[in-house]
Amino acid sequence: DVKVTQSSRYLVKRTGEKVFLECVQDMDHENMFWYRQDPGLGLRLIYFSYDVKMKEKGDIPEGYSVSREKKERFSLILESASTNQTSMYLCASSYPTGAGEKLFFGSGTQLSVL
Amino acid sequence: AQRVTQPEKLLSVFKGAPVELKCNYSYSGSPELFWYVQYSRQRLQLLLRHISRESIKGFTADLNKGETSFHLKKPFAQEEDSAMYYCALYGNKLVFGAGTILRVKS
Repeated sequence: DVKVTQSSRYLVKRTGEKVFLECVQDMDHENMFWYRQDPGLGLRLIYFSYDVKMKEKGDIPEGYSVSREKKERFSLILESASTNQTSMYLCASSYPTGAGEKLFFGSGTQLSVL
Repeated sequence: AQRVTQPEKLLSVFKGAPVELKCNYSYSGSPELFWYVQYSRQRLQLLLRHISRESIKGFTADLNKGETSFHLKKPFAQEEDSAMYYCALYGNKLVFGAGTILRVKS
């Protein structure tokens, strides 16, 4: 069974702090994604990566960056956290199927920025 | 541009009643459509995809290219169907709708 693990279930940070959200998958998936989940807005793609050291901007990359130094690990970085980044963050992974994406999600990190 | 619209934020039905969760999309190419589900205190997971033409937990969804819709249906709702449902479109990336909360009342 595919496992996508997010290091923290809940995080509370202060405005201006640098925040790292970590995600690890154990199925040798090539593709990894970071979404944020907000009521009424659904899931919005922040960044994704199709290979090690490769990253692509999603729909809402502003204020975020990512790092993928190893295939199994995909980190989301908030350089200077702001209150509007309070949200549920979901990491996902998949392997290329050539016909869309079947994503496997982590259990999420609820980030509160005070 | 890719867009997914789920017009209902909340759908409340009685147990045994039919369910239809609406999903409309816009995409200029040939899309792949999916339904994902998130049960309470569980992680988001794939429910079904249109290319499989499968029925999962009694749910089906048919892609209607003329109406650009991919509505999720079940003839008889069960209490355990209560969850958040997301419609998703894969064009050149996977885009999700805003989600619909389904509440099945006893």
